[in-house]
Amino acid sequence: NAGVTQTPKFQVLKTGQSMTLQCAQDMNHEYMSWYRQDPGMGLRLIHYSVGAGITDQGEVPNGYNVSRSTTEDFPLRLLSAAPSQTSVYFCASSYSLAADTQYFGPGTRLTVL
Amino acid sequence: KNEVEQSPQNLTAQEGEFITINCSYSVGISALHWLQQHPGGGIVSLFMLSSGKKKHGRLIATINIQEKHSSLHITASHPRDSAVYICAVRASGSRLTFGEGTQLTVNP
Repeated sequence: NAGVTQTPKFQVLKTGQSMTLQCAQDMNHEYMSWYRQDPGMGLRLIHYSVGAGITDQGEVPNGYNVSRSTTEDFPLRLLSAAPSQTSVYFCASSYSLAADTQYFGPGTRLTVL
Repeated sequence: KNEVEQSPQNLTAQEGEFITINCSYSVGISALHWLQQHPGGGIVSLFMLSSGKKKHGRLIATINIQEKHSSLHITASHPRDSAVYICAVRASGSRLTFGEGTQLTVNP
């Protein structure tokens, strides 16, 4: 099993550009989520999904869209990048919302100029 | 005040020392997680606790629900234990709330 994969590992954008961060898992997990990690702050939840076709907002959803057309994939779209979105983004998955093990992807380091 | 507070923020130890990292939280929870973030950035789940104590190798995690406090202990620390240790709590049916992490450095 590859676990949770994320692409790209690094990305530099200009203000106003759009892009999609890819996340995939091969463990048949129902629950998937996107977090951002900023210096001096804990991981913050952007969006999450409890199954294919079901998504919901987390703590910091503004400026981001998600969709979940399959169990495996959970892409995160930045609609119009802003410097405030410079961060490290982590995708995570687990068997269920209350599962004891969260599996994290390797992260994407995004810089918005 | 953050819902999840970790202490210390930074910790430096010598190889072989016993290490304790603390996590306090302010809300009622259904579970508490400890995670490890490696220097390269990858995050790994270590434990999930809802009561009592769990042990895995040299790592021990305890939780006191009444005190709203958890500790992560590392026995016989080793330089490869150097990482950021993150505490996260889940209130019933809701998302995880993360602490800022404790940066641990173990020197040989």
